[in-house]
Amino acid sequence: DAEITQSPRHKITETGRQVTLACHQTWNHNNMFWYRQDLGHGLRLIHYSYGVQDTNKGEVSDGYSVSRSNTEDLPLTLESAASSQTSVYFCASGDTGSPLHFGNGTRLTVT
Amino acid sequence: EDQVTQSPEALRLQEGESSSLNCSYTVSGLRGLFWYRQDPGKGPEFLFTLYSAGEEKEKERLKATLTKKESFLHITAPKPEDSATYLCALGGSQGNLIFGKGTKLSVKP
Repeated sequence: DAEITQSPRHKITETGRQVTLACHQTWNHNNMFWYRQDLGHGLRLIHYSYGVQDTNKGEVSDGYSVSRSNTEDLPLTLESAASSQTSVYFCASGDTGSPLHFGNGTRLTVT
Repeated sequence: EDQVTQSPEALRLQEGESSSLNCSYTVSGLRGLFWYRQDPGKGPEFLFTLYSAGEEKEKERLKATLTKKESFLHITAPKPEDSATYLCALGGSQGNLIFGKGTKLSVKP
């Protein structure tokens, strides 16, 4: 069955370090998205991509970057981790006009 | 600006006690109203999409309805396994989803 896999499931890092969260989908979807989920805020869009070499900023993109070198993967990089970036991160993919499919998330703690 | 507001934030029910969750929205042009279920430690799982006022969809004990301003998720005779956070979302102009903050449902046996 097609799926979205996120890794690692849990990550602890120190302030100022660069961190990359992986997202791999086997749905063959062109559209991929990164969200963060925090208490009191719900899910907020960080970055998204419509295909290879395409990336776009979402609502809360400061301090994050993505790259899309193939259809299956959209890694999320925190350039210099900050405590405010402690959160649960979800990757999603979908065809335009169809529901998004989500991974099971990465819980990131920045100390 | 497209917005989604869910209420209540939390709901506790006894097994078999039917109720409804509310999702109020404002949108310039509806591109779908989505309901998801999220279990602890998991990603959101798709339940329903509604596109026009008057539309209804059902799945087991759940029924979603849509008006021009609100959507309701009706839960009939809930069971403990229905306990989860239910998320409502609007289809965004970038192909993304704009989420509400969710309703945490607890069903006690």
